[in-house]
Amino acid sequence: DAKTTQPPSMDCAEGRAANLPCNHSTISGNEYVYWYRQIHSQGPQYIIHGLKNNETNEMASLIITEDRKSSTLILPHATLRDTAVYYCIVRVAGVDDKIIFGKGTRLHILP
Amino acid sequence: NAGVTQTPKFQVLKTGQSMTLQCAQDMNHNSMYWYRQDPGMGLRLIYYSASEGTTDKGEVPNGYNVSRLNKREFSLRLESAAPSQTSVYFCASTAGTGGKNEQFFGPGTRLTVL
Repeated sequence: DAKTTQPPSMDCAEGRAANLPCNHSTISGNEYVYWYRQIHSQGPQYIIHGLKNNETNEMASLIITEDRKSSTLILPHATLRDTAVYYCIVRVAGVDDKIIFGKGTRLHILP
Repeated sequence: NAGVTQTPKFQVLKTGQSMTLQCAQDMNHNSMYWYRQDPGMGLRLIYYSASEGTTDKGEVPNGYNVSRLNKREFSLRLESAAPSQTSVYFCASTAGTGGKNEQFFGPGTRLTVL
């Protein structure tokens, strides 16, 4: 079973920040939080990952709570091209084991 | 770099037929994965291979077999296809070492079983 829980869908106005939540209350100390997105029917694409510190790259920011039981992916200025399904997963980086995806959040960007 | 490639892109089978889905990566990655995605659903792990010569079951392995032919190639076989196996199949790979170690996905194989 997936170790994460996400809302099934969310809406966001174009140009606004999209904040996608993820709960991972059973995360282990050596597990990272990874985010991917899947546009239409393409293969998923990596966005960002983190262990306990907040992370930012050219695509998004990742905020992880201090207890690491939840996180938020932030797309700072959402565009129509950000319409996709976003997946939050937890896994141990550098150790390849079962990598389980949940159902993800379907993000609709509204014009 | 082509990344992760999958063949065929589309396939229609009749119930009971067999076929092999091919996956190859040119990134020298250690680990490879097969997922299926049913309409409107998330990805479910079928099998994975953490290194050349090893394979392990994922969430939904029944009805499938896999072969890690070499470091580059990881194939998925349906011995006797069933309509319930109609799905989009994605192959993925990871370096298997430190760093980002993110998964890279192929474009998918769209399989219909009649």
